[in-house]
Amino acid sequence: RKEVEQDPGPFNVPEGATVAFNCTYSNSASQSFFWYRQDCRKEPKLLMSVYSSGNEDGRFTAQLNRASQYISLLIRDSKLSDSATYLCVVNQAGTALIFGKGTTLSVSS
Amino acid sequence: NAGVTQTPKFQVLKTGQSMTLQCAQDMNHEYMSWYRQDPGMGLRLIHYSVGAGITDQGEVPNGYNVSRSTTEDFPLRLLSAAPSQTSVYFCASSKTSGTYYEQYFGPGTRLTVT
Repeated sequence: RKEVEQDPGPFNVPEGATVAFNCTYSNSASQSFFWYRQDCRKEPKLLMSVYSSGNEDGRFTAQLNRASQYISLLIRDSKLSDSATYLCVVNQAGTALIFGKGTTLSVSS
Repeated sequence: NAGVTQTPKFQVLKTGQSMTLQCAQDMNHEYMSWYRQDPGMGLRLIHYSVGAGITDQGEVPNGYNVSRSTTEDFPLRLLSAAPSQTSVYFCASSKTSGTYYEQYFGPGTRLTVT
């Protein structure tokens, strides 16, 4: 079983839609959680960290459920500029980040 | 402040050739790592370093060597290139290998082995 698994996608949504991505991780010792964004042929960049209490940054909301080992990302009011691949990432302290394969989002007008 | 830089941006090698991918950061980050990204496989860790003089293997280390003689530089060496090493290589750095921290990625090196 892969350590970090994501919805396969792609997700094709119209502008203004709400879209949710899910991610599960297998190692219960994982300590920190992130969503990264990667544009086509570019490097990944941090979108947001995911905390136990859940956190929001504008149109983006991230949730963490440690008991179920599940992470989610909700994007409200999708924009064309949100089109990208979203990477779920987990870390066990002292080791490197483990990346999911990513979910591709395409927002159309 | 250039962040994480990688050279070259593109490279074509013949099978059996060796080369070094360069990575440098100017943020005084302790932690540096190398990933490869292949279609459908996501980012996979090759090697990482928690500080100068310390390196360790990641998920896919075979065929690659690293060293960390300075805080700033973390070169990745391909010993004898194979077509299976055709990939996009990303170097990343962060302030610490602890819990919550942001990893900064370089722009990537696109390597083709023929």
